[in-house]
Amino acid sequence: DTAVSQTPKYLVTQMGNDKSIKCEQNLGHDTMYWYKQDSKKFLKIMFSYNNKELIINETVPNRFSPKSPDKAHLNLHINSLELGDSAVYFCASSQVVDRGYGYTFGSGTRLTVV
Amino acid sequence: DAKTTQPPSMDCAEGRAANLPCNHSTISGNEYVYWYRQIHSQGPQYIIHGLKNNETNEMASLIITEDRKSSTLILPHATLRDTAVYYCIGKISSGSARQLTFGSGTQLTVLP
Repeated sequence: DTAVSQTPKYLVTQMGNDKSIKCEQNLGHDTMYWYKQDSKKFLKIMFSYNNKELIINETVPNRFSPKSPDKAHLNLHINSLELGDSAVYFCASSQVVDRGYGYTFGSGTRLTVV
Repeated sequence: DAKTTQPPSMDCAEGRAANLPCNHSTISGNEYVYWYRQIHSQGPQYIIHGLKNNETNEMASLIITEDRKSSTLILPHATLRDTAVYYCIGKISSGSARQLTFGSGTQLTVLP
């Protein structure tokens, strides 16, 4: 069983479109995250949710909106996609919100905006 | 969170120990050192963490200097599958909502 699963694995779309990436974890963790890895390979936190409540929202354009229907799911909706949104997006989860260990990451979604 | 400095790349022969250094001279007393790695095209994977004492688990050992200004991650018998980017991260363990911040890491290449 995959601990943190993301779909789709690859996503190619045109500028201006709206798209969603789904994430599910079966670890029973309370906290989930979205990270973005750009072409220079830097991983940056975007959002953090604890028990369905948003606790961190780094400087991310409001075109990006996370949605957590329950603590096992954290989806990422992106409106009006731009070329600069092309990146690999990683979902992650951890048991405790403010600890640095035991994060489990998904395998990533490679988003290409053309 | 503490700023960390790592060499951009290192090579290691298969079967030998890989020693990955990390400088964190501005680390504060309540900040832990965490190590993660990212194998190509995969999500990052937690390896180990520590505060003051040396730590060992099934994946690696972590040696932290007494002044806590630097640390070394040791993979005792590197295999080809250990080829990855290794990230050293300094972070307060509790009482903070700040999340893991990844730097540029060290690209470790294990050579046959």
